[in-house]
Amino acid sequence: NAGVTQTPKFRILKIGQSMTLQCAQDMNHNYMYWYRQDPGMGLKLIYYSVGAGITDKGEVPNGYNVSRSTTEDFPLRLELAAPSQTSVYFCASSYPQEQETQYFGPGTRLLVL
Amino acid sequence: DQQVKQNSPSLSVQEGRISILNCDYTNSMFDYFLWYKKYPAEGPTFLISISSIKDKNEDGRFTVFLNKSAKHLSLHIVPSQPGDSAVYFCAASVGWTGANNLFFGTGTRLTVIP
Repeated sequence: NAGVTQTPKFRILKIGQSMTLQCAQDMNHNYMYWYRQDPGMGLKLIYYSVGAGITDKGEVPNGYNVSRSTTEDFPLRLELAAPSQTSVYFCASSYPQEQETQYFGPGTRLLVL
Repeated sequence: DQQVKQNSPSLSVQEGRISILNCDYTNSMFDYFLWYKKYPAEGPTFLISISSIKDKNEDGRFTVFLNKSAKHLSLHIVPSQPGDSAVYFCAASVGWTGANNLFFGTGTRLTVIP
């Protein structure tokens, strides 16, 4: 049982480049989330999904897109990277009846130059 | 606007002593509170939670206290151990009207000195 996995661990992007952050979970959780954590700040919700085919915006969705074609995977897409997207990105998952108790991946550190 | 605040960025405690981490919130609608613990290069892990109908919840060495009138909660770790050195995030939610309801504080870095 690997829990929540994220790839890559670290990436440097140039302004305007695109990339996809991968997230997978093997706990059969319906709910999945993407957060970003900027230095000295709390985690902010970018997007979330309550099941395959269903996604919705969180607090800071601008500049990102998501898809959820399977229960296991929840990729986050950055289309035109900007320096403001330099952050650490965390994916998480949970059961619907235990939404507060989220299981987090190890994070992806992204640097946009 | 930060609805959940952890005003102490860092805390150092001697091994064996009590660690007290504090958290304040502004939204009186919050009714469920959690603490997460984060080691370097890892994601946060759930530690302990408390519902607004309680004022204390205990789990081994960890106890969370909730003071609703002061909109304040605290995490007590007794006795503190070097392995407790991590960043601790306080989080809060407003019932469960949706999955976008968890608000995190900025974290407190705890260092337990052997």
